[in-house]
Amino acid sequence: KQEVTQIPAALSVPEGENLVLNCSFTDSAIYNLQWFRQDPGKGLTSLLLIQSSQREQTSGRLNASLDKSSGRSTLYIAASQPGDSATYLCAVTQGGSEKLVFGKGTKLTVNP
Amino acid sequence: DARVTQTPRHKVTEMGQEVTMRCQPILGHNTVFWYRQTMMQGLELLAYFRNRAPLDDSGMPKDRFSAEMPDATLATLKIQPSEPRDSAVYFCASGPTGYTEAFFGQGTRLTVV
Repeated sequence: KQEVTQIPAALSVPEGENLVLNCSFTDSAIYNLQWFRQDPGKGLTSLLLIQSSQREQTSGRLNASLDKSSGRSTLYIAASQPGDSATYLCAVTQGGSEKLVFGKGTKLTVNP
Repeated sequence: DARVTQTPRHKVTEMGQEVTMRCQPILGHNTVFWYRQTMMQGLELLAYFRNRAPLDDSGMPKDRFSAEMPDATLATLKIQPSEPRDSAVYFCASGPTGYTEAFFGQGTRLTVV
């Protein structure tokens, strides 16, 4: 059974800092990995989708990497801003099923 | 602005009552998911459909939960009878085809007292 772990559970940084969020998964037979952002009381917003054949994806100040063989992904946020404060979730799609298996998220607080 | 729409956004009900949650997926998306989010368990898949056919409902307590897609523009999740342990946020998501980006609705926050 696929398990997705995100460490740390919470992270607090000063504005302007570069930071890395970590995601690991136990079964490397994934089809893709997706990073989401969730604001309090809101739904999930997709940030980046990495197919299993890709190593990384970039969008603005965000860069996500994938090392499928080691079961790891990182989300790099450059020059963090208070507006980046949210919970970040990673999810994998297992080969053979379209369902997303989620980690429990990292709650990020960027302090002005 | 295409988005997944869920109704109601909030629901408070008494134990034993029937609850129906509705979802309008993004037009043209043929995969629809229902997830439940709790503090303890995080996000868990309840059921998903492709082209309106249920493909996986293994995460759903079948004695009280049911999920359907009466047509391509509507997915429903029903709980009967509801119990306090069903209190959670229920999310619907849709995707254009399998194995692609999933788009989530704002969720229905259910409280069963």
